[in-house]
Amino acid sequence: DQQVKQNSPSLSVQEGRISILNCDYTNSMFDYFLWYKKYPAEGPTFLISISSIKDKNEDGRFTVFLNKSAKHLSLHIVPSQPGDSAVYFCAASPRPANFGNEKLTFGTGTRLTIIP
Amino acid sequence: NAGVMQNPRHLVRRRGQEARLRCSPMKGHSHVYWYRQLPEEGLKFMVYLQKENIIDESGMPKERFSAEFPKEGPSILRIQQVVRGDSAAYFCASSLESGLYYEQYFGPGTRLTVT
Repeated sequence: DQQVKQNSPSLSVQEGRISILNCDYTNSMFDYFLWYKKYPAEGPTFLISISSIKDKNEDGRFTVFLNKSAKHLSLHIVPSQPGDSAVYFCAASPRPANFGNEKLTFGTGTRLTIIP
Repeated sequence: NAGVMQNPRHLVRRRGQEARLRCSPMKGHSHVYWYRQLPEEGLKFMVYLQKENIIDESGMPKERFSAEFPKEGPSILRIQQVVRGDSAAYFCASSLESGLYYEQYFGPGTRLTVT
């Protein structure tokens, strides 16, 4: 039962253009969403997050949009740079029960390739 | 300002041997999580620990796997009597102690190969 889905295994984008990575989830208890970037043979690197009280969060070239009614989020990268080529994972967690931390449920990832 | 540290980075074990994976969280972090990534898959949660306590082990296989996070020293993920299906990348993450939402920061992983 894949609760977090990234339906595009790969995406190629021209350098300088916008990259849009999509993620869908099925569990309505998910309340906090994160994007991680991963290079081969390295651990995931945290990029940006959003909680369910917001519909948009921006950090430099990265913007995450959340549509709770559609259970969909997306990551926009603009302008795309060659160093952005990596695998991007969407992750989600439920609202912590007692102001603690909760486990993350990951999607299967999207491999982004930026074409110079 | 060291990040999450894991060792060893690569570990080769024969079937039936034991594997011990170590994780030192970021300075100031007292929450540790272990995830496993099989080839061509996303990361799957295994266990969540705080100092001297297992908080959630719902993702751990019932047999052969155990984890600890002692008062002093790193967190240890232990796999007894390894089998080929245990071959995977094992990632540790850590986060801050308190607050509602905190990002988890990941280490570089340990790649376990069972021959």
